[in-house]
Amino acid sequence: QVQLVESGGGLVKPGGSLRLSCAASGFTFSDYYMSWIRQAPGKGLEWVSYISSSGNIIYYADSVKGRFTISRDNAKNTLFLQTNSLRAEDTAVYYCARGYYDSSGFNYWGQGTLVTVSS
Amino acid sequence: SYELTQPPSVSVSPGQTAKITCSGDALTKQYGYWFQQKPGQAPVQLIYKDNERPSGIPERFSASSSGTTGTLTISGVQAEDEADYYCQSADISGTHWLFGGGTKLTVL
Repeated sequence: QVQLVESGGGLVKPGGSLRLSCAASGFTFSDYYMSWIRQAPGKGLEWVSYISSSGNIIYYADSVKGRFTISRDNAKNTLFLQTNSLRAEDTAVYYCARGYYDSSGFNYWGQGTLVTVSS
Repeated sequence: SYELTQPPSVSVSPGQTAKITCSGDALTKQYGYWFQQKPGQAPVQLIYKDNERPSGIPERFSASSSGTTGTLTISGVQAEDEADYYCQSADISGTHWLFGGGTKLTVL
């Protein structure tokens, strides 16, 4: 069955960095585009970044552009999000989600990994 | 910039019909999607491409779209439907994805 498992979250000081990972299984990872979506405590969902199936097309939300970097390793079925220059407002659960090029949207999500930015 | 607007809350009695709206210019150009999120859980897709239902989603969940407004309809609401509901779309260029602010459905 389809599984997306995030890891790499934790407590980090303002200005620090974390590398989040999303391990995929149960489907052909290289056929799907992927996104990171976050949710601050008690708040709504916010799309963060997108990467195409081959990794050659990448988009970022304005709130993270220049600080976060999305990447993927199709040989290892893993999605990454390098988060730098972290701010308190980046505190959130970070979800990875997959999508296919038939407009079916984000049809599978991981359970999320919590990033807490605090001194 | 594009935004999607949802009512913060909707209340309904068991067995009744709940309607949750989502408004935004993006919906005139891009498909709308709906997600359900229960406390402590990841979102689950309820609707894709404006009104299509993924396999495994109960038929009581349906949706429609007209102009700048999408509507999620839950018929015969059950206690287990109490959750947060989010609409989602993309900007006109298809390079940024948008979520509505979410609607908390309370089953009275």
